[in-house]
Amino acid sequence: DTEVTQTPKHLVMGMTNKKSLKCEQHMGHRAMYWYKQKAKKPPELMFVYSYEKLSINESVPSRFSPECPNSSLLNLHLHALQPEDSALYLCASSQEVSPDYGYTFGSGTRLTVV
Amino acid sequence: QQQVKQSPQSLIVQKGGISIINCAYENTAFDYFPWYQQFPGKGPALLIAIRPDVSEKKEGRFTISFNKSAKQFSLHIMDSQPGDSATYFCAASKSDSGGKLQFGAGTQVVVTP
Repeated sequence: DTEVTQTPKHLVMGMTNKKSLKCEQHMGHRAMYWYKQKAKKPPELMFVYSYEKLSINESVPSRFSPECPNSSLLNLHLHALQPEDSALYLCASSQEVSPDYGYTFGSGTRLTVV
Repeated sequence: QQQVKQSPQSLIVQKGGISIINCAYENTAFDYFPWYQQFPGKGPALLIAIRPDVSEKKEGRFTISFNKSAKQFSLHIMDSQPGDSATYFCAASKSDSGGKLQFGAGTQVVVTP
């Protein structure tokens, strides 16, 4: 298995809703990442997990809450989002915390906040 | 402040032609320079990468040229095919960055039949 699987593929949520994005990989990678990508823009790093511990938080608002329950799974909990949070949310993994190993990205969750 | 500047923003090339995308950086601590390819509705995928001790790296029809003194690197797509139509991102990172990649703004490449 050489894939990063993200669910759901599409999500529409209201500003008062609570929802979660899920990311799974079975490649034995020990680093996992959340990125946010707006249309026609590059991905922006949000969080980095290394060996299931949060190692980087790029000053992301607290309405985004990451969780790494085990080495294969990464969640992003969403609460009280704003319309400007609408974007493609990408999960990625790598063998270790270093881009040298090459990231494997999932296909993303297209989030729309209404 | 964008640490990696990428040009052009978009590019149209005929089938069989050469696509060239350029990137420039300022931080001399960067020591790893990958290129990612992204198709609509998909996540980016690593295409090819280079380190500053190498001036050129070729993988199939894709070649990275690296000019350390000018702090520039470029991607050449030889014999461009319609299936190469995608957005290409250059990126840079440094060893102690904790996994952070600095992406360029992206180049949308369209290969016409």
